[in-house]
Amino acid sequence: LAKTTQPVSMDSYEGQEVNITCSHNNIATNDYITWYQQFPSQGPRFIIQGYKTKVTNEVASLFIPADRKSSTLSLPRVSLSDTAVYYCLGFKGQNFVFGPGTRLSVLP
Amino acid sequence: GAGVSQSPSNKVTEKGKDVELRCDPISGHTALYWYRQSLGQGLEFLIYFQGNSAPDKSGLPSDRFSAERTGGSVSTLTIQRTQQEDSAVYLCASSNAGGGAFYAQYFGPGTRLTVT
Repeated sequence: LAKTTQPVSMDSYEGQEVNITCSHNNIATNDYITWYQQFPSQGPRFIIQGYKTKVTNEVASLFIPADRKSSTLSLPRVSLSDTAVYYCLGFKGQNFVFGPGTRLSVLP
Repeated sequence: GAGVSQSPSNKVTEKGKDVELRCDPISGHTALYWYRQSLGQGLEFLIYFQGNSAPDKSGLPSDRFSAERTGGSVSTLTIQRTQQEDSAVYLCASSNAGGGAFYAQYFGPGTRLTVT
C-alpha cells in the first residue's frame, strides 16, 4: 500500500448507502487494510479492518477484491452524524501512509 | 478501559524554544505511532515504535524532531528550536502488533502546538 488514492469528497442523503473506494498499489502480502473516521478537532477513530473478501461489523462493511489493489468501505443507511472525513491506511516500508481522506457530507 | 492520553492538550511556544509532547498508550499495546496534522490537512506519519525500538526514523521532518519510548509504554516527541511551520496537531496512537501485521490504531485526542 505504498500510495493510496481516494475521492476527495462525496455527498449523500440520510438513509442512503455510501460506498467509498480506496485504490492502493504495491500492497504487500501481510498488509491489512484499515479504515478510519475523523470528526473535526478529534483524532481518527478506527472503523474496520480486513485482509481479503468481506468483513462486516456493527458500523460498516469492507469489501476487498481478490487482487487486493483496492478496498471499498460501505456505510449502510448513513445519518447526519456520519458526516466526517474517512481515511484508508496502508504501509510503505516501515511507514504508515494514510490516504488523503474522503470528506463525506450527509444531507438531510 | 483507559484510552490513549496525550499531554499537554494545547501548547503555545515561541519560535526557537524546545517542546516535549507526551503520549500514554493503551496498556498492553506494543506499537505506538506519532502523526502530525496541519490545519485542514491529512495525517502525516512521523514515527512508530515496536516496543522501545523505532525501526525507521525517516518520517521525521527534520533532525530537530526526535522521539523515544521507555519501558514499552510512555513516549515523548521532542521538537528542538521550534519553527512556525511546526504548528500542527500532533497525534499519538497505539495498537497491538505482531507477526508482521499491525492492527487497529487507537488515537489520542492530540496536542495542538502553536509556534508564535
